[in-house]
Amino acid sequence: QGQLVESGGGVVQPGRSLRLSCAASGFTFSSFSMHWVRQAPGKGLEWVAVISYDGGTTYYADAVKGRFTISRDNSKNTLFLQMNSLRLEDTAVYYCARDPVWGQGSLVTVSS
Amino acid sequence: DIQMTQSPSSLSASVGDRVIITCRASQGIRNDLGWYQQKPGKAPKRLIYGASSLQSGVPSRFSGSGSGTEFTLTISSLQPEDFATYYCLQHNSFPQTFGQGTKVEIK
Repeated sequence: QGQLVESGGGVVQPGRSLRLSCAASGFTFSSFSMHWVRQAPGKGLEWVAVISYDGGTTYYADAVKGRFTISRDNSKNTLFLQMNSLRLEDTAVYYCARDPVWGQGSLVTVSS
Repeated sequence: DIQMTQSPSSLSASVGDRVIITCRASQGIRNDLGWYQQKPGKAPKRLIYGASSLQSGVPSRFSGSGSGTEFTLTISSLQPEDFATYYCLQHNSFPQTFGQGTKVEIK
């Protein structure tokens, strides 16, 4: 069914930017929509964004709309999440997902 | 946006117990619902898709039912490895929305 591996997380100051990557393998990446889901420490799951198989259509959660951008490079089997104007409340583990396959998650900590 | 109300938020149960978790959608979502299990420090794992279809490799003690606005996840005989947090997710429309989660603990 494949594998997803996130990278790019870390500690960043409020207002700064960070880009997450998700490398896909073991399935035809270019045929599937892909999602980002996040989980703040001790909290529940929150859907963040989706991108269609060809990158032509995207949707976002209201909490990140206008600040985050989901994109993909099908030639490199890679999904991205560009996160700008980061806020304290964006602190979370970020998962990329294409059910039933999920990555292991990448921790983003927004802190001054 | 569609709101998913999940209940209970937590429960205590014993090995062998039958456990039922419920999700209610704020509007009809047909059968566009999945159930997920998450253990501490791990990624969620999908158990059920299409409200009632068992994901390959998932034990048959897990089952899902419902359509429209009312959905249930049933664990017929709770096993030690089932102690975890469970979430429903609607994918009928964007933004997709999760329920608040149900933590299943050992009694």
